[in-house]
Amino acid sequence: DAMVIQNPRYQVTQFGKPVTLSCSQTLNHNVMYWYQQKSSQAPKLLFHYYDKDFNNEADTPDNFQSRRPNTSFCFLDIRSPGLGDTAMYLCATSRDGSAFNTGELFFGEGSRLTVL
Amino acid sequence: DAKTTQPPSMDCAEGRAANLPCNHSTISGNEYVYWYRQIHSQGPQYIIHGLKNNETNEMASLIITEDRKSSTLILPHATLRDTAVYYCIVTTDSWGKLQFGAGTQVVVTP
Repeated sequence: DAMVIQNPRYQVTQFGKPVTLSCSQTLNHNVMYWYQQKSSQAPKLLFHYYDKDFNNEADTPDNFQSRRPNTSFCFLDIRSPGLGDTAMYLCATSRDGSAFNTGELFFGEGSRLTVL
Repeated sequence: DAKTTQPPSMDCAEGRAANLPCNHSTISGNEYVYWYRQIHSQGPQYIIHGLKNNETNEMASLIITEDRKSSTLILPHATLRDTAVYYCIVTTDSWGKLQFGAGTQVVVTP
């Protein structure tokens, strides 16, 4: 059974039209991440939540925002998508806690966003 | 986090062992070595990780040199389903915050 579920799997939006991508997890992990992966490139970390604490990467554009209303859900909001935001967006989770650390990230299947 | 260097691509024959090298010459004492792979159009998948000792699980073996400046991921019997991009990542974060490099595109051929 899928443990990290992303919706939608495919999204087409127009230039400048806000879009929200969602991620849910059944693992009860306290850390959730959003990565952006452009075609033929490696995933790039945008930000992560450590419990309720939001941690933005220094080079993540302000256009990208995130919300985590509870442990299970996390959202990626792109306020005004540009053509350069066309990419796969990957959600991942991990668990931090002394006896349970494996460092393993669990990824969803990704949401493929196309901006026209 | 220390930077890693991997060959951009390599081929492997089905049924043979695949040995994927990774250089991390600036690794520090508290940095872990992680390996992930990404099959086309899927999310990355954890393979294995280690700190100092060699590690083995059901998917692969990880060999870390004594000076920790390089490591090798070994897929013992490569199958066509092992065709993927393999990422070697070095990080101090034991709970999983990872920065991906370019990786190695592995193609397993019949």
